[in-house]
This record gives sequence, structure tokens and C-alpha cells, in this order.
Amino acid sequence: EPEVTQTPSHQVTQMGQEVILRCVPISNHLYFYWYRQILGQKVEFLVSFYNNEISEKSEIFDDQFSVERPDGSNFTLKIRSTKLEDSAMYFCASIKVAGALQETQYFGPGTRLLVL
Amino acid sequence: AQKVTQAQTEISVVEKEDVTLDCVYETRDTTYYLFWYKQPPSGELVFLIRRNSFDEQNEISGRYSWNFQKSTSSFNFTITASQVVDSAVYFCALSAITGNQFYFGTGTSLTVIP
Repeated sequence: EPEVTQTPSHQVTQMGQEVILRCVPISNHLYFYWYRQILGQKVEFLVSFYNNEISEKSEIFDDQFSVERPDGSNFTLKIRSTKLEDSAMYFCASIKVAGALQETQYFGPGTRLLVL
Repeated sequence: AQKVTQAQTEISVVEKEDVTLDCVYETRDTTYYLFWYKQPPSGELVFLIRRNSFDEQNEISGRYSWNFQKSTSSFNFTITASQVVDSAVYFCALSAITGNQFYFGTGTSLTVIP
């Protein structure tokens, strides 16, 4: 069964450093999402992406964050200058068609980011 | 606005007991989807079920069952004859057809004691 993959599984970085989290969505999916989950808290929406542009973003997704689909398979989340509070699990998700009746967002296994 | 409430923060049961996890949602959309995900200690989100707002039939899958009641805006999840492997955090989520982002509840941490 096709699945969403994410790399790396764990990332440790120093405060102020840039990080890039990578995701490979399911190949025929068209909508992509990033969520984050601070330890012990709920999963929060960051951004959705369709047709090479952001379709929706939350208040969390400020100027420090950016997303890109640099090629036909990867979907990346960049944090320009990490802060301690960026430490979280970051999930990528994809969906085939938005608004369709029978769709589920498929989540990747997550990248656990620790900012020191 | 969309909102999901899981009032039970933590539940502990003894193995083989039945347990029900509550989920109450709020939405103004007439078409929406409800989901349950399981998050084991390893951290990934495991999809369990999707239900759309037009389908109020309850569903059973093995030891799992779901009770969707639009009248009370609830989508409760029951595990029958719980097992230690059921220990995890369970999240209920709502997705409106207009936005498609997921709104997650705060999760219920279930511990099944052998």
C-alpha cells in the first residue's frame, strides 16, 4: 500500500539554525499538508499546499516557515531560524482530491525536531 | 468555526474491559468528515476510521466500534475486550469539506493494564 514518507525521522539542531524537513507524498496525491505536534499536545495544522502554492495556512505558519515542492515528488518544510518552541513532531499528509466524498488524509510517520 | 473536544485526558482500564472514548465536535458545515487516529508510543498517526456527515450508521471493525450521533454532535469510539496493545493516544479529528485541514481534539491517552 502506498504511504507518505518523511525524512529525517529525528533532527537535532541549534537555535537559530535553518532546518528542512522532507516529505514524499503518495504519488497521485495533489494536496499536501504540514502539521505539528508539540510534545503531549494535540496535532495542529500549519499549512496546505496545492498546485504549487499555499492554499491555506494557520497563525503558527509565520515568516519563519516556508514550503516548497522542488520536484515532482518531494514536499519540504523549511524553518529559517529555529527557536526552542519549534521543538515538536512534524507530520506531513497528503490527499488525492480535496472536497471529494471519500478521502482520508494519509499521514507520514513524522519528523521529531529538537531545538537546543 | 470547527472544534473537537475530547474531554477524557487519560483513561486506564484492565485488560479485557470495554472502554469508550468520547468525541464531541462543533461545525457549521453541513458536510464534514470525522476521523479517529491512534498514536502509539512510537509517534506515528494510524488511521482508524473515517465517517462522513451523511452516514450515521454505526460501524464495527473487529473489537472496534464507532457511534456517530449527529443529534448530539458526537462520534464515540468503543474498544471491546481491550488489550495491552491498545495502549496509545487516540485522536478524534474533524475535516470540513470546504477547507480540508484537520481539526484535532486534544487526544485521550488510554492505558490498558495487564
